[in-house]
Amino acid sequence: KNEVEQSPQNLTAQEGEFITINCSYSVGISALHWLQQHPGGGIVSLFMLSSGKKKHGRLIATINIQEKHSSLHITASHPRDSAVYICAVGGDSGGSNYKLTFGKGTLLTVNP
Amino acid sequence: NAGVMQNPRHLVRRRGQEARLRCSPMKGHSHVYWYRQLPEEGLKFMVYLQKENIIDESGMPKERFSAEFPKEGPSILRIQQVVRGDSAAYFCASSWGTSYNSPLHFGNGTRLTVT
Repeated sequence: KNEVEQSPQNLTAQEGEFITINCSYSVGISALHWLQQHPGGGIVSLFMLSSGKKKHGRLIATINIQEKHSSLHITASHPRDSAVYICAVGGDSGGSNYKLTFGKGTLLTVNP
Repeated sequence: NAGVMQNPRHLVRRRGQEARLRCSPMKGHSHVYWYRQLPEEGLKFMVYLQKENIIDESGMPKERFSAEFPKEGPSILRIQQVVRGDSAAYFCASSWGTSYNSPLHFGNGTRLTVT
């Protein structure tokens, strides 16, 4: 069983819809990352959070440390949001965030 | 302010050849991390380096793989005698520190194809 589980694996939405991607993890962490990867492209770090909630534009990330769960929300989705969204957790050894354990990703397709 | 630069973007090697992947971290970043993304699989941590030091190579195969981050120049991930199973996307990331408030910045990756 993967230490980081994402759901759903695939998600298709219509432009304008509200999107939620979930991430559950089973290990102690110092930080959780949400990453975006376009097909054949590089990886962009969207959020790094260790508690509470962060917002950037139309993206919102929340984390519940007690429940070991995080969600990534996209409001007013747009076709350019189509990408793979990856959840990754950093170990709790001295607060280091480098040795990430990654989820398998959620492929989001937003249709116009 | 250039981001993390990786080159080449695409690399084709025949079985048995050597592959050298380069990563220049963001300016001011002294921590470099390499990750591998195998086809149809998630990303996996390989190695963490600071200038001239390997801090953690627990995710790197013991044979044929090596990494360095010299005092001057980019970090290099070297794969000797490549095999088809080495075909993957290799991503480099950098940060200025290791605490939870020093975010990672990723490069665009090097896609290695072994024929």
